[in-house]
Amino acid sequence: DAGVTQSPTHLIKTRGQQVTLRCSPKSGHDTVSWYQQALGQGPQFIFQYYEEEERQRGNFPDRFSGHQFPNYSSELNVNALLLGDSALYLCASRPWGVSNSPLHFGNGTRLTVT
Amino acid sequence: DAKTTQPPSMDCAEGRAANLPCNHSTISGNEYVYWYRQIHSQGPQYIIHGLKNNETNEMASLIITEDRKSSTLILPHATLRDTAVYYCIVRVGGSQGNLIFGKGTKLSVKP
Repeated sequence: DAGVTQSPTHLIKTRGQQVTLRCSPKSGHDTVSWYQQALGQGPQFIFQYYEEEERQRGNFPDRFSGHQFPNYSSELNVNALLLGDSALYLCASRPWGVSNSPLHFGNGTRLTVT
Repeated sequence: DAKTTQPPSMDCAEGRAANLPCNHSTISGNEYVYWYRQIHSQGPQYIIHGLKNNETNEMASLIITEDRKSSTLILPHATLRDTAVYYCIVRVGGSQGNLIFGKGTKLSVKP
């Protein structure tokens, strides 16, 4: 039973470019959340997707957008990259219909903006 | 903002119990407490969660005080592989709410 998988594992981009990160949720999960983790900090919530719609959003600018596909996989897009966007981007999944179910995390994509 | 307060770091001897404290004095009656840990360069790993009763699983025990204002995660026999950052999280926004992480406690298990 595969857990949450993310691709790519590492990525280097230049300031001003755009990036797309991908996530496949754990089998049986239909809800995907994205987090950003800067070095030495705890993960910060970006947004959550369920039924292909953004359901909740954290305090992130519109440069951060996402998408969820019918197979529950998800993408995180970041436009006009800034040096400060360098971080570990984590995807997490859970089943929507199970109250208080824990989030299961992938191992993240390490994004470096130069 | 995170609703929890944890010490930034703790040490524990290998084979001894590790007791990690967490304060969540503003917790509401229907908000759950979750514990995760993160080993360097990996994603956070779920450990345990609870509402008001003590909980135990194969990884750890969670002790929640009667007033629910604090809790303790217990690793009964710490090993070197338990060295990690441990996050105590109160889930806000109801049963579909997301987890708001703080800075956690860096636990170092020493031989």
